[in-house]
Amino acid sequence: DGGITQSPKYLFRKEGQNVTLSCEQNLNHDAMYWYRQDPGQGLRLIYYSQIVNDFQKGDIAEGYSVSREKKESFPLTVTSAQKNPTAFYLCASSIPGSNYGYTFGSGTRLTVV
Amino acid sequence: AQKITQTQPGMFVQEKEAVTLDCTYDTSDPSYGLFWYKQPSSGEMIFLIYQGSYDQQNATEGRYSLNFQKARKSANLVISASQLGDSAMYFCAMREFPSGYSTLTFGKGTMLLVSP
Repeated sequence: DGGITQSPKYLFRKEGQNVTLSCEQNLNHDAMYWYRQDPGQGLRLIYYSQIVNDFQKGDIAEGYSVSREKKESFPLTVTSAQKNPTAFYLCASSIPGSNYGYTFGSGTRLTVV
Repeated sequence: AQKITQTQPGMFVQEKEAVTLDCTYDTSDPSYGLFWYKQPSSGEMIFLIYQGSYDQQNATEGRYSLNFQKARKSANLVISASQLGDSAMYFCAMREFPSGYSTLTFGKGTMLLVSP
């Protein structure tokens, strides 16, 4: 079955460390997105990519980096520059302009210890 | 200014009753799309319903309908005959096209609790 796989489901990071969250899709979608969710804040856009080797900053890109070397993969790196990285991270993909919006992964919960 | 406003942090309804979740939006773009998503406690986001800005009819999907009032910039979700499994967070979202690319902007959500 087609879908989006995020791994790991839970991730613990020490302060000062970089960590990479995986996102893979087999839906053949061109566009992919990373959102951060904090309690009471809804979802906020970190980065998005419409095509391979191209991506744009969202509303809260500081302290994060991404790459899009393959259509299927859009990994997110949370760097040590991100001051408050503890959050729930959701990856999504879409066919640009689709009336079905985005297909989401099941999320990664990152905790800084 | 917030682009999507959901004024109800929480709603409580009894099983089999109808419930309306409010959503207002702000955009100057004549072409946009409005979405509702459901997020159960497991965390996944489930697409419920879509309304395009040029659609003449209100969207419906099974027990879900969208009360679209364009002049008031309102896109309320109506759930008829609530079920226990409807207990979840509900997010309203708007699609715009900054720089030719589409992105979804989400509201802060409404927590719905359905009781027996």
